[in-house]
Order: sequence, then structure tokens, then C-alpha cells
Amino acid sequence: GQQVMQIPQYQHVQEGEDFTTYCNSSTTLSNIQWYKQRPGGHPVFLIQLVKSGEVKKQKRLTFQFGEAKKNSSLHITATQTTDVGTYFCAGPATAGNKLTFGGGTRVLVKP
Amino acid sequence: GAVVSQHPSRVICKSGTSVKIECRSLDFQATTMFWYRQFPKKSLMLMATSNEGSKATYEQGVEKDKFLINHASLTLSTLTVTSAHPEDSSFYICSADGTSGTDTQYFGPGTRLTVL
Repeated sequence: GQQVMQIPQYQHVQEGEDFTTYCNSSTTLSNIQWYKQRPGGHPVFLIQLVKSGEVKKQKRLTFQFGEAKKNSSLHITATQTTDVGTYFCAGPATAGNKLTFGGGTRVLVKP
Repeated sequence: GAVVSQHPSRVICKSGTSVKIECRSLDFQATTMFWYRQFPKKSLMLMATSNEGSKATYEQGVEKDKFLINHASLTLSTLTVTSAHPEDSSFYICSADGTSGTDTQYFGPGTRLTVL
């Protein structure tokens, strides 16, 4: 079945630094979605990418969907303590299908 | 918009009892809702897909007689953990499809179940 992998599993970042987390699917995705879960909270939808090679920005967050629609990345610049949490990527193999979530990247920020 | 609520947020019960968790879409209608289970510091594991007016579709390895799902209306799905045991202790989260055709999901706040 479809598998979605995320690396790294943990990311310790000094406040103010940049970092990138990567998402790779075993199958082509119709779209890729990113969610953020704060400690003790629930996943919150961040963004959806649909087109091959698409890039979207949300303030300090840059999301990219690979040309082959099998991988994605999230780049955060000038990390802040509010960025703490686990970032999950998720995607359906076909539109309208259930989502398969990656294992998540747990981000810890050192002040 | 797209608010999903869950009730209760926390529940502690004795082994052998059944626990019902409600998932509601507050400001939109959800034909499809999803039930996930999440262990500490782990990802979300899809348990079942709940469709309004029809039987739920369970993922491989999930016992349908153990985890009863009812999606009686376009705004409410319930998950009942029957004859709960300590190994059923977990964080259960529901989600609902947002805008039609986008596949995005809006999550409820989750229910932390502890079985003694």
C-alpha cells in the first residue's frame, strides 16, 4: 500500500535559524497537504499543493511539491518558538481518497 | 468556518465498559468523516472512514465489532469503543472533509481515553 515517509523525525533548531523537512511518497499523489500539531493539540491544516512543481508561501513557511508529485518539502526561515510542534504531510493516492499521513517531523526550538 | 468538535475531550473508564465519542461538524455538512488513533509522539493511524447513511469502511487490522461507528447525520459521527481494555487507551481524533473536491480535512480537538 501507499507509504509516506518524512525526514527528519526530529528537528532541533536554534531560534532564528532556517530548516527544511522532507516528505516522500511511495506512489504519485494527486495532491499533498501539510498539517501542524502543537504539543497536546490536534492537527491543523496548513496548506494544500496540487500542481507538479508548485510552490506556495505562508509568511516564513515555504511549501514545495515535487515535479513527479511524489515528494514535498517544507522550509521554515527564521524559526521562532511559535513554530514548535509536529509537522505532518499527507496525501491521497487519488483525488477524493483517504489521506495517508507521514510519520511527522517534531520540531523543537532552542531559544 | 470548518469547525469540528469532539466530546468528551477526556474520559477515564474501567475495563469492560463501553465509551462513546461524538464528532460534530459545527458549521458545515460532512458526508465523510474519518476516525484516527494516535499514540504518544506517533503519527495518525486511520481507523475507519465514516460515510453518512452507510456502513463505515474499516482499515485492515481494525476490529469493526470493537470500534462501532455510526454516521447518522451530515453533522454527527460517533465512535463507540466497546468492552474497553487498557490497550485501547489512546488519543482518538476525528476529522471531516472540508470543501468538496479538495480532500482537505478539518480535525476535531481529540478525545483522550484512559482505560483502567
